[in-house]
Amino acid sequence: ETGVTQSPTHLIKTRGQQVTLRCSSQSGHNTVSWYQQALGQGPQFIFQYYREEENGRGNFPPRFSGLQFPNYSSELNVNALELDDSALYLCASSLDFRGVDTQYFGPGTRLTVL
Amino acid sequence: TQLLEQSPQFLSIQEGENLTVYCNSSSVFSSLQWYRQEPGEGPVLLVTVVTGGEVKKLKRLTFQFGDARKDSSLHITAAQPGDTGLYLCAVRSGTYKYIFGTGTRLKVLA
Repeated sequence: ETGVTQSPTHLIKTRGQQVTLRCSSQSGHNTVSWYQQALGQGPQFIFQYYREEENGRGNFPPRFSGLQFPNYSSELNVNALELDDSALYLCASSLDFRGVDTQYFGPGTRLTVL
Repeated sequence: TQLLEQSPQFLSIQEGENLTVYCNSSSVFSSLQWYRQEPGEGPVLLVTVVTGGEVKKLKRLTFQFGDARKDSSLHITAAQPGDTGLYLCAVRSGTYKYIFGTGTRLKVLA
């Protein structure tokens, strides 16, 4: 059973650019959540996808958007990058969000915005 | 205002010492989770506590959920360098969202 994987590992962008981060969920998991973790902070919830639909969203602007594909892998897109977007972006998959279920996190993508 | 406050923020101790870290809130929760995150990795779930006053043990780690389900503690006995990491508490908000605390960064020196 493969775990959650994310790509790329690291990324450097400049202000105003757009970025796409990718996540492959654990086999059999239909729910993916994305988090932003700034340096020295706990993860902050961005949004969650369940069976290809956005299921819920945290306090992030619309320039943060996502997709989930039929194989339950997912993308996080950020437009018009700002310096404050520099962070570790984590995705987490779970079997089904409706239960009290374990989230399995990927290793994250470290985004630096210059 | 942080929903979950963790203390201390940083802790550096010698191998073999005991320590306790705390997760506090003014809100009541149906359950609370503890995670450990190592450098370059995502958080890994250690335990979920669901009942007020519940105590769970995981080898040298003891987790307690407060009687009123507003706070929790994590006690490590005889800390080892392998315990080094960021300890995070988290609660579920609504049906889909998890809220994480600010974290306690622990360093255990050999």
